[in-house]
Amino acid sequence: QVQLVESGGGVVQPGGSLRLSCAASGFTFSSYGMHWVRQAPGKGLEWVAFIRYDGSNKYYADSVKGRFTISRDNSKNTLYLQMNSLRAEDTAVYYCAKDSRRDDYGDYHDYWGQGTLVTVSS
Amino acid sequence: AIRMTQSPSSLSASTGDRVTITCRASQGISSYLAWYQQKPGKAPKLLIYAASTLQSGVPSRFSGSGSGTDFTLTISCLQSEDFATYYCQQYYSYPQWTFGQGTKVEIK
Repeated sequence: QVQLVESGGGVVQPGGSLRLSCAASGFTFSSYGMHWVRQAPGKGLEWVAFIRYDGSNKYYADSVKGRFTISRDNSKNTLYLQMNSLRAEDTAVYYCAKDSRRDDYGDYHDYWGQGTLVTVSS
Repeated sequence: AIRMTQSPSSLSASTGDRVTITCRASQGISSYLAWYQQKPGKAPKLLIYAASTLQSGVPSRFSGSGSGTDFTLTISCLQSEDFATYYCQQYYSYPQWTFGQGTKVEIK
């Protein structure tokens, strides 16, 4: 069965950096695009970033563009999110999510990890 | 950017009730709409995609309809395990995805 397990969350000071990881199993990771979605405490869902199955294209929400970098290592079945210049408003649970489309553009998210909490605070 | 607006933001209902949640897109999105269910402290779970297609394993009391700008999620006979927050999401405007603000279904 599909499993997505995030790690790397924690407490970081404003202006700091953090790298999140998402270990995938149960499907052919190298064939599917992947997303990061976040949820601030008590708030709704916000799409953050998408990377195509082969890493050839990456897309970001305006709120994180220029500060966050999504990447993947298909040999390790792992997705990453490098977060720099962190702000208080980046405090959220970060979920990785598998895209439903194989070898193609992005679509809806059919599987989600359990999330990892990032807290930006001094 | 396409905005997704859900209504109501919350509702109270009893087990056995029929519940309808509405999602409106700021511009036409054809049928590129998904619905997710989220319970407290848990990850979202896909319920419906392509506006009306039930994800495998999702009970048939859930249904979706609509196209263009107006969509609905209906729970035909609310069960105790259905008390949760529901989100719509458009995936028409690749590569930008947007969610509605959520609808919390609470016990009356």
